[in-house]
Amino acid sequence: DTEVTQTPKHLVMGMTNKKSLKCEQHMGHRAMYWYKQKAKKPPELMFVYSYEKLSINESVPSRFSPECPNSSLLNLHLHALQPEDSALYLCASSQSTGEGSAFFGQGTRLTVV
Amino acid sequence: GQQVMQIPQYQHVQEGEDFTTYCNSSTTLSNIQWYKQRPGGHPVFLIQLVKSGEVKKQKRLTFQFGEAKKNSSLHITATQTTDVGTYFCAGRGSYIPTFGRGTSLIVHP
Repeated sequence: DTEVTQTPKHLVMGMTNKKSLKCEQHMGHRAMYWYKQKAKKPPELMFVYSYEKLSINESVPSRFSPECPNSSLLNLHLHALQPEDSALYLCASSQSTGEGSAFFGQGTRLTVV
Repeated sequence: GQQVMQIPQYQHVQEGEDFTTYCNSSTTLSNIQWYKQRPGGHPVFLIQLVKSGEVKKQKRLTFQFGEAKKNSSLHITATQTTDVGTYFCAGRGSYIPTFGRGTSLIVHP
């Protein structure tokens, strides 16, 4: 199984809503990532988890809250988002942060209204 | 910090023509990865280069890693309409890969 599964595929939320994005992989990868991608731009790193511990937070606003319940799962909790947060949110995993290529999920296309 | 520059930003070709995209890093890389993202899709891993001067081929795609491990290229021979998409390089310095801005390939039939 070389898949990273993300749910939901599409999400529309209001600025007062609370929602969560989910990511799952069963490749035994110990590094998991959240990226944000705006149209016609490269993926922009948000968070890195290594062995279920948050190792990098790229100065992301606190309205985005990551969580890694176990080695296969990664969540991104969303609260009080702004319209400019609308983007494609990509989850990825790799063997570790120091090696291995990243396998990306299909992403969640988020629209904040 | 580490920066990865990728050129060109866009490339229009006629079907059957060749295509090349280039990545240059401000620092020496431990490895470089290439990804393809189709319109409306997600990045898909193509290949990883690790050794200085390494050349790898996948059918019509040729990937090169420079001798100094600071630059890389992806060359597609005889493009097809299925090659349409954005090609990203991601250079790994000491820790996390840094993505180039991508080259969008448009193939005209």
